[in-house]
Amino acid sequence: RKEVEQDPGPFNVPEGATVAFNCTYSNSASQSFFWYRQDCRKEPKLLMSVYSSGNEDGRFTAQLNRASQYISLLIRDSKLSDSATYLCVVNIGDMRFGAGTRLTVKP
Amino acid sequence: NAGVTQTPKFRILKIGQSMTLQCTQDMNHNYMYWYRQDPGMGLKLIYYSVGAGITDKGEVPNGYNVSRSTTEDFPLRLELAAPSQTSVYFCASTKVHETGYNTEAFFGQGTRLTVV
Repeated sequence: RKEVEQDPGPFNVPEGATVAFNCTYSNSASQSFFWYRQDCRKEPKLLMSVYSSGNEDGRFTAQLNRASQYISLLIRDSKLSDSATYLCVVNIGDMRFGAGTRLTVKP
Repeated sequence: NAGVTQTPKFRILKIGQSMTLQCTQDMNHNYMYWYRQDPGMGLKLIYYSVGAGITDKGEVPNGYNVSRSTTEDFPLRLELAAPSQTSVYFCASTKVHETGYNTEAFFGQGTRLTVV
């Protein structure tokens, strides 16, 4: 089993839609969790940190369920500029990345 | 504040050649990482370091070597380049917060390596 697994995608949604991505992790000792955004051929950039049960930042909500070893990212009112690949990252002493979920928001 | 700096940005190598990818950070972070990303794939951990003098293997270490003589620098060495090492390489760093959690990872801009 992979350390970090994400929805394979791709997700193609219209502007204004709500979209959710899921991520599961295998190591119950994982300490901290992040969602990153990666634009084509660029370095990943932090979208949100998830240290407790979850947090919200504008249109973005991240949730953590330690019992189920599951993290989610919800994007409301999708914008064209949200088109990117979203990476789930888990800290198990080192930082492990999921394979990413590609999102395309269309007019 | 430069953050994480990688050099070079692009490189073409012939099979069997060797090279060193440079990575330096000026944030006094103790953890540093090297990842590779193949087209359409996620980031795979090659090596990481929790501090000067300490390195450890990640998921895909074969064909690579690292060293960490200072807090700032974490070079990645390819000894005998192979076409399978064609990829984009990212260096990153994090700091261990006083709570024991790692902070967010800061990335360099990447090195695009082609082996022909």
